[in-house]
Amino acid sequence: QSVLTQPPSASGTPGQRVTISCSGSSSNIGSKYVYWYQQFPGLAPKLLIYRDTARPSGVPDRFSGSKSGTSASLAITGLRPEDEATYHCAAWDETLSGVLFGGGTRLTVL
Amino acid sequence: QMHLQESGPGLVNPSATLSLTCTVSGDSIFPYYWSWVRQPPGRGLEWIGYVFYTGTTNYSPSLKSRLTMSVDTSRSQFSLKLTSVTAADTAVYFCAGAVAETADFQHWGQGALVTVSS
Repeated sequence: QSVLTQPPSASGTPGQRVTISCSGSSSNIGSKYVYWYQQFPGLAPKLLIYRDTARPSGVPDRFSGSKSGTSASLAITGLRPEDEATYHCAAWDETLSGVLFGGGTRLTVL
Repeated sequence: QMHLQESGPGLVNPSATLSLTCTVSGDSIFPYYWSWVRQPPGRGLEWIGYVFYTGTTNYSPSLKSRLTMSVDTSRSQFSLKLTSVTAADTAVYFCAGAVAETADFQHWGQGALVTVSS
């Protein structure tokens, strides 16, 4: 059972803005950086957002991350069909002394 | 460009030991924290633990009693052994690398499906 809580699904139409939430606690999101991963079926996760808000080289600026207290969000603007994937949040947890992942949010582009 | 490749049996008998190796190429195995992450079919990601290039390990408490991780810097490889497996251990196992004790996995292997079944 994931300690980082994400909605299991989200959807939007092309061009829309979609947000995916990730809720944690003071021992993880509240005190550590949040990371977001994009995963297509049959492939490994790919780092999408690091240190709460930063984008690795090559990630479009349509993707953005934010954090407030013990919750974080991933926003996708100008939604495209190719954005249809599963999105995972992750953070180090001080109590666990290890990495926690959210359960993943499957994004459907209608 | 770093490349990670998992290798090992795709089928393991219940109660046996699951063994996987990850080979690092294209860059140095130093100074990364090398983790294993698994994903049961249709489910989310679960961090299993890491082995630092020095050999220091850190395991998920839920799996700690059954886990052993090691690193062979001369071969640029690190390994996972999980004992007394059950069907619940059936998953795609990914190896991944981070430069610190964070969830910042910049490098991933393609994943290896391991099925526990007789």
